[in-house]
Amino acid sequence: GESVGLHLPTLSVQEGDNSIINCAYSNSASDYFIWYKQESGKGPQFIIDIRSNMDKRQGQRVTVLLNKTVKHLSLQIAATQPGDSAVYFCAESSAGGTSYGKLTFGQGTILTVHP
Amino acid sequence: EAQVTQNPRYLITVTGKKLTVTCSQNMNHEYMSWYRQDPGLGLRQIYYSMNVEVTDKGDVPEGYKVSRKEKRNFPLILESPSPNQTSLYFCASSFRAASYEQYFGPGTRLTVT
Repeated sequence: GESVGLHLPTLSVQEGDNSIINCAYSNSASDYFIWYKQESGKGPQFIIDIRSNMDKRQGQRVTVLLNKTVKHLSLQIAATQPGDSAVYFCAESSAGGTSYGKLTFGQGTILTVHP
Repeated sequence: EAQVTQNPRYLITVTGKKLTVTCSQNMNHEYMSWYRQDPGLGLRQIYYSMNVEVTDKGDVPEGYKVSRKEKRNFPLILESPSPNQTSLYFCASSFRAASYEQYFGPGTRLTVT
């Protein structure tokens, strides 16, 4: 079937390694950032979020880092497992103003984990 | 089970034949949204709704209509589909606006010939 991952950046890692997925966002007014995981044939699934008043947030095996100075977001996955193989999207939103309610997704990164 | 459902899951239609893709959520969420996903373009927001009777345009609203008459339902209407609307469509909902965790439906693959 048609691939939603056509021409996306890719990252290949070995099982057990740590993975880092990067995202550059465009709107300096964005104040809320989210990472989603999309497995083949499924809808995106929320992983972790971070607000602009923070620069780091940790979840289970995942950490999100936010650098507002250079408008950069990263997702770190510790001890990557084959089940982590998916397309990862960052998304940005605003808590107010005319863009309240809008969600803008990044291009996505394909993560492949080799056993 | 908390979920977002979409129907149909697959649809092949012809240019100009009006169609509706339904979306329903059972989580009493205020916010609902529609996205389309195309190869290499990621997900793009079509329309969103902050609450009943409140809808607004996303980044790619042309050729689409929505309505929010009930809290649980947010149908996507294509009055006159064209081939460039061939895409994978996702509905999503969250407790409040886009700044809360969104739950996505399983997707509707639409082909317009």
